[in-house]
Amino acid sequence: DQQVKQNSPSLSVQEGRISILNCDYTNSMFDYFLWYKKYPAEGPTFLISISSIKDKNEDGRFTVFLNKSAKHLSLHIVPSQPGDSAVYFCAASAGSSNSGYALNFGKGTSLLVTP
Amino acid sequence: DAGVIQSPRHEVTEMGQEVTLRCKPISGHNSLFWYRQTMMRGLELLIYFNNNVPIDDSGMPEDRFSAKMPNASFSTLKIQPSEPRDSAVYFCASSLNTGAEAFFGQGTRLTVV
Repeated sequence: DQQVKQNSPSLSVQEGRISILNCDYTNSMFDYFLWYKKYPAEGPTFLISISSIKDKNEDGRFTVFLNKSAKHLSLHIVPSQPGDSAVYFCAASAGSSNSGYALNFGKGTSLLVTP
Repeated sequence: DAGVIQSPRHEVTEMGQEVTLRCKPISGHNSLFWYRQTMMRGLELLIYFNNNVPIDDSGMPEDRFSAKMPNASFSTLKIQPSEPRDSAVYFCASSLNTGAEAFFGQGTRLTVV
């Protein structure tokens, strides 16, 4: 039962344009959302996160938007660069500080930024 | 800190053999996670520990899989006996209780033939 869904397996964008990666979730208990980036033969690396008390978080070229009513979040990359080509995973958690946070991941979206 | 360290990086084994994957979390982190990545299922959480205690092992596929964390600096994931369908990349990750951001190792690519 996939609680975090990334319905687009792949996305191709031209360099300099905006990349928009989407993610939906089903568990209303999720209160923290993260995006990870993964290059081949490496582990996922943390990119950006957002708490459920916010609807937007920005870090340089990366912005994450959260729509709680729709149980939807998106990652915007502006402007896209060829080095952004990677697999992007959406993750969500509903943990507590007593037992730690377990991340539930989507299946990932492979982004290709072409020159 | 060197980050999360996993060994081996690659493992090829014959069906029926026992496989042990190893993980050293980041020093000071008190949560440790084992994930499996496959094309079909993406990144699946297998089990996670908090302060060396297993909290949730509902993702462990079956009894052939077991995980231990004997101390704060070491964990193992064992598959016995291994089967071809266990072929995947297995990731270990660690985090602090105070934050949900988990740091991943480079993974172990397991191939069972």
